[in-house]
Amino acid sequence: EVQLLESGGGLGQPGGSLRLSCAASGFTFSSQAMSWVRQTPGKGLEWVTGISPGSSDKYYADSVKGRFTISRDNSKNTLYLQMNSLRAEDTAVYYCAKMGQSSTGWLRNFDYWGQGTLVTVSS
Amino acid sequence: QSALTQPASVSGSPGQSITISCSGTSSDVGGHNSVSWYQQHPDKAPKLLIYDVTNRPSGVSNRFSGSKSGNTASLTISGLQAEDEADYYCSSYRTGSTVEFGGGTKLTVL
Repeated sequence: EVQLLESGGGLGQPGGSLRLSCAASGFTFSSQAMSWVRQTPGKGLEWVTGISPGSSDKYYADSVKGRFTISRDNSKNTLYLQMNSLRAEDTAVYYCAKMGQSSTGWLRNFDYWGQGTLVTVSS
Repeated sequence: QSALTQPASVSGSPGQSITISCSGTSSDVGGHNSVSWYQQHPDKAPKLLIYDVTNRPSGVSNRFSGSKSGNTASLTISGLQAEDEADYYCSSYRTGSTVEFGGGTKLTVL
């Protein structure tokens, strides 16, 4: 059974930093691309960033480019999101998501999601 | 404001069929066969229903189907059931290696 367990959320200061982690199990983590997707409370979904299985390719939404960094440790089956220069608009539930199969590329759909971790940016 | 446009709400009676639209541009929906659909119940994580416009993952009911015409994709739910009441989101790959979501549609089963 695929399981994704996020941690590291909480209260962050404007201009501050937080690091999220996602522990994966139930599949061959090193062979699967991964992403972070966030959801503002009561609102819609926003893709944040994605990483290929071997970390050679990393892509970011314009809203976080230059502030957030995605990384992974395949030896620990763990995905990370380093969030710097936090802003109030970064307040959201952050989901770790496994990228699903597609005939057209790896950054296409999300077939498994964690339960999310809440990040609140406020002074 | 979301990049892909969905109706805020739709409704239908049990047993009926409903369709949710997802409008984009030639840079996303129209230019790639990479539209996917997600169902989200309150306080739950999203669940993948459709990928690559028309494909259903294993375990997803065949009451859910997807299609696309030009820059607009659609999700059809047939034989509506009470448990289908949820929020539905479309997403699409966008040229330039990003992914976009629609703003979501709240489905009410009357």
